[in-house]
Amino acid sequence: GQQVMQIPQYQHVQEGEDFTTYCNSSTTLSNIQWYKQRPGGHPVFLIQLVKSGEVKKQKRLTFQFGEAKKNSSLHITATQTTDVGTYFCAGLNKGGADGLTFGKGTHLIIQP
Amino acid sequence: DADVTQTPRNRITKTGKRIMLECSQTKGHDRMYWYRQDPGLGLRLIYYSFDVKDINKGEISDGYSVSRQAQAKFSLSLESAIPNQTALYFCATSYGGLEEQFFGPGTRLTVL
Repeated sequence: GQQVMQIPQYQHVQEGEDFTTYCNSSTTLSNIQWYKQRPGGHPVFLIQLVKSGEVKKQKRLTFQFGEAKKNSSLHITATQTTDVGTYFCAGLNKGGADGLTFGKGTHLIIQP
Repeated sequence: DADVTQTPRNRITKTGKRIMLECSQTKGHDRMYWYRQDPGLGLRLIYYSFDVKDINKGEISDGYSVSRQAQAKFSLSLESAIPNQTALYFCATSYGGLEEQFFGPGTRLTVL
């Protein structure tokens, strides 16, 4: 079945440093979604990428979808304490017929 | 998200007991999902439903069953709970298969 790998599992940064998490799928994806889960909370949707090579920005967050639609990345510029949490990528294939396959997530820990 | 509710929020039970977790949504979404979250393993799909008459197995359906009683309700049952089913369980909904998913607050289940 489809597998979605995400690295790193943990990332410690000093406040103000940049952060990147990477996601790779074993199969070509229809779409990829990114979610954020705050400690003790539930996953919350951030963004969806659909097109090959797509780049989207949300303030300090930049999301990319690879040309082959098998990899993606999330980059945060100048991290803030409010960025703490776990970031998950989730891949859709077959037009969404099989639901989302989540990566294991990257835990972002920020040291003031 | 208050539009997706889960009951109970916490449950401690014993091995061999039958447990039902319930999910309700007021978003009018057609699709509903049950996920399990374990530390280091991310979110794994247990079952999903595209409408009242549709039930599909996810990645880890063994030991679980579901019922879609109405468009707004999707329940997850553990017929005979075992300790390795101790986890955080999330319900989610979406409108269509290619749209963002909205997660409930989660149910923390402990099987002793």
